[in-house]
Amino acid sequence: AQSVTQLDSQVPVFEEAPVELRCNYSSSVSVYLFWYVQYPNQGLQLLLKYLSGSTLVKGINGFEAEFNKSQTSFHLRKPSVHISDTAEYFCAVSDSNYQLIWGAGTKLIIKP
Amino acid sequence: DAGVIQSPRHEVTEMGQEVTLRCKLISGHNSLFWYRQTMMRGLELLIYFNNNVPIDDSGMPEDRFSAKMPNASFSTLKIQPSEPRDSAVYFCASSLEPAVGTEAFFGQGTRLTVV
Repeated sequence: AQSVTQLDSQVPVFEEAPVELRCNYSSSVSVYLFWYVQYPNQGLQLLLKYLSGSTLVKGINGFEAEFNKSQTSFHLRKPSVHISDTAEYFCAVSDSNYQLIWGAGTKLIIKP
Repeated sequence: DAGVIQSPRHEVTEMGQEVTLRCKLISGHNSLFWYRQTMMRGLELLIYFNNNVPIDDSGMPEDRFSAKMPNASFSTLKIQPSEPRDSAVYFCASSLEPAVGTEAFFGQGTRLTVV
């Protein structure tokens, strides 16, 4: 069965600094990967997804993620964060039934 | 479309009472997911429907929980009787037919507090 590991429960970073949120998944023949964002008191919304093709995927709000098959990783990055990026970020993988398997989430804390 | 609509947004109830959470899917979507989110356990899938049929209910905690889709656009999650440990934020999400890359659209959640 697929599994997703988000190694950091919280990542504090200064405003305008770069950030990387880590995600690793259990290996599979075919894998489809997602990052969702949950702003305070909101539901989750899709940030970006990898299905095939270019391993660098660009999403909304300046975020991007890189699919690395050899390291079974799909880390999320942003070159310069803003206070509005304060949220919890969830990595997910789609299994053979196309259901989403979720990571535990990483809280991004922006320090002024 | 207004997106996935959940009601109520907040619910406070006494232990032992019945609680019903409601969800309206996005028009045209035929998959429906109920999730529970807590600090301790994170995001847990409770049940998944496709075309109004429950496909996977292995996440439903116990018999006190039940979920229905009386029609293609509406679902309810019922807890009877409720217990303090049921306190959580409950989300529903809908999507198109499951396929590669299908995105799930979430409602804003119902924050349930059982006292």
